[in-house]
Amino acid sequence: GENVEQHPSTLSVQEGDSAVIKCTYSDSASNYFPWYKQELGKRPQLIIDIRSNVGEKKDQRIAVTLNKTAKHFSLHITETQPEDSAVYFCAALNRDDKIIFGKGTRLHILP
Amino acid sequence: GAVVSQHPSRVICKSGTSVKIECRSLDFQATTMFWYRQFPKQSLMLMATSNEGSKATYEQGVEKDKFLINHASLTLSTLTVTSAHPEDSSFYICSASSPGNGGTEAFFGQGTRLTVV
Repeated sequence: GENVEQHPSTLSVQEGDSAVIKCTYSDSASNYFPWYKQELGKRPQLIIDIRSNVGEKKDQRIAVTLNKTAKHFSLHITETQPEDSAVYFCAALNRDDKIIFGKGTRLHILP
Repeated sequence: GAVVSQHPSRVICKSGTSVKIECRSLDFQATTMFWYRQFPKQSLMLMATSNEGSKATYEQGVEKDKFLINHASLTLSTLTVTSAHPEDSSFYICSASSPGNGGTEAFFGQGTRLTVV
């Protein structure tokens, strides 16, 4: 089945700097890759997604890139702010239409 | 986006009792809903896929007799944790896909924090 690997598990960046989270997937049939932000005790919230027919997508300070050949995708957050502190999960939709999550990255924005 | 409502948000129960968690899609019909379990500081682990009008499909290692799933209508799926034990204490979250978004974007319920004492 699909396996989604996510790195790093913890990331600390200075406010204003950029943060990058990377994920790899194993199922070559996967064609949809969402990213979720989860604050403590709350539901995951979709922040951006990308489909396999594009290589990059941007929404204000957040961007996602996808390399289908290498089967990896990344989340980029620029000009980080304190409210960006949270746990971020990458995910991939596998061939059975199930969303499989990475293990998560705890992002700390340092003042 | 679409709204998925999960109830209750918190529940404490005694060992040996059963607990039912409801997941409702409020403004769309969901033929498929998913149930996840999340331990503290860990990722969401898919437990099972709930299919309206048919039996749920369980992921490997998930006991179907312990985690009963019923999807009786297009807007409601329930997860019943039977004969609960302290190790079942966890955060349970459901999700559903809205057909209006191509069927792939998942919307999550608020989650249920289950504590078994």
